[in-house]
Amino acid sequence: DGGITQSPKYLFRKEGQNVTLSCEQNLNHDAMYWYRQDPGQGLRLIYYSQIVNDFQKGDIAEGYSVSREKKESFPLTVTSAQKNPTAFYLCASSLGWGETQYFGPGTRLLVL
Amino acid sequence: GNSVTQMEGPVTLSEEAFLTINCTYTATGYPSLFWYVQYPGEGLQLLLKATKADDKGSNKGFEATYRKETTSFHLEKGSVQVSDSAVYFCALSGQYGGSQGNLIFGKGTKLSVKP
Repeated sequence: DGGITQSPKYLFRKEGQNVTLSCEQNLNHDAMYWYRQDPGQGLRLIYYSQIVNDFQKGDIAEGYSVSREKKESFPLTVTSAQKNPTAFYLCASSLGWGETQYFGPGTRLLVL
Repeated sequence: GNSVTQMEGPVTLSEEAFLTINCTYTATGYPSLFWYVQYPGEGLQLLLKATKADDKGSNKGFEATYRKETTSFHLEKGSVQVSDSAVYFCALSGQYGGSQGNLIFGKGTKLSVKP
């Protein structure tokens, strides 16, 4: 089955700790995206990658970092610089930049 | 810049009622328009889309027509079911590449359908 997987489903972060959220797709999509969702809000773009080995900051990149070393993988690191990390994080991919995006099941990050 | 405005929820309907969720947009050029649905605790699923003016997207009984003259993309369903209870997001993708290739989302409308 083709699709997008995210792990873990729930993640707990301690004060001052960096944590990494996984996103993998086997759809052979070139573009991948990370969004943050807060209660009662729409989705906000954190980072995006149009193609492997390239990525760009979105609207709320501060406190986050990404890498795109493989076409199928786009991990997101939430650093200690992100002061309000509690949110639902969604990864998406599309065949090409600006084309229809398909979403993974999400990771909920909670702060201990 | 580009933006999407959705009607605020929550919307509560009885089963078999008619549903309309309003969505209007501001964008340059000719964006593509989307409706996504999010069930509790899950990611977003693409419900339908339209890529040019007067296109009608449809799926699972839901419909939306791309109206450029009113910059709208309202979601409708003739007879809702309890299983349609979810949050619905309207979104647009700019016509051009670069930053306008991103999806711009509305804030979402929560729908609750009672038996």
